Amino acid sequence: EAGVAQSPRYKIIEKRQSVAFWCNPISGHATLYWYQQILGQGPKLLIQFQNNGVVDDSQLPKDRFSAERLKGVDSTLKIQPAKLEDSAVYLCASSLTSASYEQYFGPGTRLTVT
Amino acid sequence: DQQVKQNSPSLSVQEGRISILNCDYTNSMFDYFLWYKKYPAEGPTFLISISSIKDKNEDGRFTVFLNKSAKHLSLHIVPSQPGDSAVYFCAASASYGGATNKLIFGTGTLLAVQP
Repeated sequence: EAGVAQSPRYKIIEKRQSVAFWCNPISGHATLYWYQQILGQGPKLLIQFQNNGVVDDSQLPKDRFSAERLKGVDSTLKIQPAKLEDSAVYLCASSLTSASYEQYFGPGTRLTVT
Repeated sequence: DQQVKQNSPSLSVQEGRISILNCDYTNSMFDYFLWYKKYPAEGPTFLISISSIKDKNEDGRFTVFLNKSAKHLSLHIVPSQPGDSAVYFCAASASYGGATNKLIFGTGTLLAVQP
C-alpha cells in the first residue's frame, strides 16, 4: 500500500512570495490533514478535510493560507504572501475516516522563507 | 496554552536498557493517546496508542502506561536498540461525539540509544 505522498520535499522562497504544496493521501482515506511543524515544536493542525469538505480550519491563518481538496482525493496548501515565520515543515496526513484516531503522515515539505 | 507537554527535550540510554519517555496533559476531555516516532527527513509514524479506559497497552518492546488521575502517560521501550533513536511525539485526542478526532501533539523527546 502506497503511503502519503507530498511534493516538493524542499522549497526556499523569499518573503512576500507565494508557494504551494501538494499532497496525495493513502487510497481510500476520506480524511486529510495539513499540519505545520516549526522547529522544536510538535505538529500543529492547520486544516482538516472530510472528503472535499472542511471539518476544521480554526488554526489556519486565512489571510495568507488557503487549502483545497476539490475532488476529495489530493490536496493543495498555498501560502500567499509568505512571511519569515512561515518557515517550517508542512506535513500532510490522512486517515480512513474523521473518527479514526490513527493518522498516516507523509514525509513533509521543508519550507524556508528568507 | 500547551495542552500536551513533553518536558524532556532529550534522553540518552544505553543499548539494552529501558527507555522511559514521559508526557503530561491538561485537558481532562482527552480520551485517546498516541505515540509517534519520527526519523529525520521523514514524517511521524504511529507507534502505539491507548484508550482512556485502559491503564496499560503493550506491543512487543513498547508499553504505554496511562495515569488519568495524574494526567500523565509514559512510553517504555525495553530493551532499547540503536534503531530506536528518533524523536518521539506524544499526541492526545478528544472525540467530539465521535464525529472527528483532532490530535494535539507534544513538543517531542529526542531519544538517543548508545551502542
